Amino acid sequence: KNEVEQSPQNLTAQEGEFITINCSYSVGISALHWLQQHPGGGIVSLFMLSSGKKKHGRLIATINIQEKHSSLHITASHPRDSAVYICAVGEGAQKLVFGQGTRLTINP
Amino acid sequence: DTAVSQTPKYLVTQMGNDKSIKCEQNLGHDTMYWYKQDSKKFLKIMFSYNNKELIINETVPNRFSPKSPDKAHLNLHINSLELGDSAVYFCASSRFGQASSYEQYFGPGTRLTVT
Repeated sequence: KNEVEQSPQNLTAQEGEFITINCSYSVGISALHWLQQHPGGGIVSLFMLSSGKKKHGRLIATINIQEKHSSLHITASHPRDSAVYICAVGEGAQKLVFGQGTRLTINP
Repeated sequence: DTAVSQTPKYLVTQMGNDKSIKCEQNLGHDTMYWYKQDSKKFLKIMFSYNNKELIINETVPNRFSPKSPDKAHLNLHINSLELGDSAVYFCASSRFGQASSYEQYFGPGTRLTVT
């Protein structure tokens, strides 16, 4: 079993829908990262958080340290949000351990 | 200006060859990384360097040898390439300290295909 599990693995929704992607982890962490991998392959860091909640535009990330769980929400989803979203946890000082990714497709 | 750059973007080569992938960052970061993304899009760390010194070596075959001539560059040399080495390799950088607590900046990736 992977130390970082994401759900769902694939998600298809209509434009405008509210999206939730979940991440559960089994190790002690220093921080949790949400990354976005574009269809072209590039990876961009969306959020890094160790407690509470962060918001950037239509994206919201939350983390519950006690439950070892994080969620990434997208409000008013748009086709340009279609990408693979990857959760990664910081284990120790240097190492990131990655989830398997969630492939999101937003249809117009 | 590209923050983290990698060359080449695509690399097609035959089994048994030796090849290198170069990475440069202009962000002034102290720490650089190499990640491998397999065909199922799963990312895994290979190496981490801080200020030219190896910090993490994640059970990577010794055919893979990272080299950091200065803290802005981290190159990856691969000897005797095998079919299983086919993957996308990403370079990344971050500030040091509790580096997993700092945002990482990724290069565009190098797609390596071994035939």
